Amino acid sequence: KAGVTQTPRYLIKTRGQQVTLSCSPISGHRSVSWYQQTPGQGLQFLFEYFSETQRNKGNFPGRFSGRQFSNSRSEMNVSTLELGDSALYLCASSGQGIYEQYFGPGTRLTVT
Amino acid sequence: DQQVKQNSPSLSVQEGRISILNCDYTNSMFDYFLWYKKYPAEGPTFLISISSIKDKNEDGRFTVFLNKSAKHLSLHIVPSQPGDSAVYFCAASFSGNTGKLIFGQGTTLQVKP
Repeated sequence: KAGVTQTPRYLIKTRGQQVTLSCSPISGHRSVSWYQQTPGQGLQFLFEYFSETQRNKGNFPGRFSGRQFSNSRSEMNVSTLELGDSALYLCASSGQGIYEQYFGPGTRLTVT
Repeated sequence: DQQVKQNSPSLSVQEGRISILNCDYTNSMFDYFLWYKKYPAEGPTFLISISSIKDKNEDGRFTVFLNKSAKHLSLHIVPSQPGDSAVYFCAASFSGNTGKLIFGQGTTLQVKP
């Protein structure tokens, strides 16, 4: 089975711009979760989508949003980028009712 | 509020010896615990997990121990190998909430040949 894929792998944006990151889960996985990893805060949960519905949400501002498509692929969007949004954004997928999540390689976002 | 804590930022062990990575949690409602390993420039890789109804789970060289009364879990790697050098994260989840993991800050393990 192919693993979780994320595109793009690297991205450089300017403060104030917006960005969209994409995630394709493992085939058959309907749950997709997003995390932000920064050196100071570790891995922080952003949100989770299941069957095109947001099922869980972390403590991030409304500038962070996401969606999931009928094929379970997911996108996350960050609007009005700030310098502090520079981070590794990780996507993970899991099967229904399964706690174990499988991560993609991440998208490294740099905001200048 | 850090609900899952890994108080040791780093650990160094000799090849062939045991590595013990520790994790503490504060929320007694956590129901399931996981360990992940992360190499630079890669996403975390799932290693082993344990349900709160158990106190031990073993998979090859990896064993996770859970002490619910102490709100403490540990990962034992025996024997340690240089390829085990990575950052290890423990994570916890609430019952039925499979899509949200709460992670610790990570411990960097170095296994010296």
